[in-house]
Amino acid sequence: GAVVSQHPSRVICKSGTSVKIECRSLDFQATTMFWYRQFPKQSLMLMATSNEGSKATYEQGVEKDKFLINHASLTLSTLTVTSAHPEDSSFYICSASSGGATGELFFGEGSRLTVL
Amino acid sequence: GENVEQHPSTLSVQEGDSAVIKCTYSDSASNYFPWYKQELGKGPQLIIDIRSNVGEKKDQRIAVTLNKTAKHFSLHITETQPEDSAVYFCAASMESSGDKLTFGTGTRLAVRP
Repeated sequence: GAVVSQHPSRVICKSGTSVKIECRSLDFQATTMFWYRQFPKQSLMLMATSNEGSKATYEQGVEKDKFLINHASLTLSTLTVTSAHPEDSSFYICSASSGGATGELFFGEGSRLTVL
Repeated sequence: GENVEQHPSTLSVQEGDSAVIKCTYSDSASNYFPWYKQELGKGPQLIIDIRSNVGEKKDQRIAVTLNKTAKHFSLHITETQPEDSAVYFCAASMESSGDKLTFGTGTRLAVRP
């Protein structure tokens, strides 16, 4: 099946620094990518929808200036957590869709961010 | 927007027994219902999905049923094995939302050897 790769899988950073997480579709072109955040023992909460070549659409309550999303190509989307704080510590997961009618989404392995 | 509820939140079964997880959704326009298995520290993996034009779908030990009238769908795992232990999420989406999934709250399944 299709593969979505996320990098890094784990990152620890100091408070106030920025962290970039990459999401790549390895064997298909992803017209749309989604970014989710998952706190321990909770469900996945959609943060934003990323379309190649256009601005991301953010869900209500998600600060677009804090969570910068760039979908520069059909195989790569990046999420940058700017000026990270301990409350941003979470599991961030991306998924990718090849587009067309409602279809299967392929998820990355997730990136665990710990902000000290 | 869509709201998906999932029950139970935890489920413990004896190896070999069946496990059933149920979800309800609110938006009658939803037409795609996938189920994901998430192991600790990993991303969700699709295990089975069903579309609104089908009432039931089966893949070996896993089956999903959909009742569009009642707006609920269920996951059935038969002959459970310890490796089935994980968190399972249901989700719903509609074509008009561009594959945007709304997830249920998750069910932690433990299969006792």
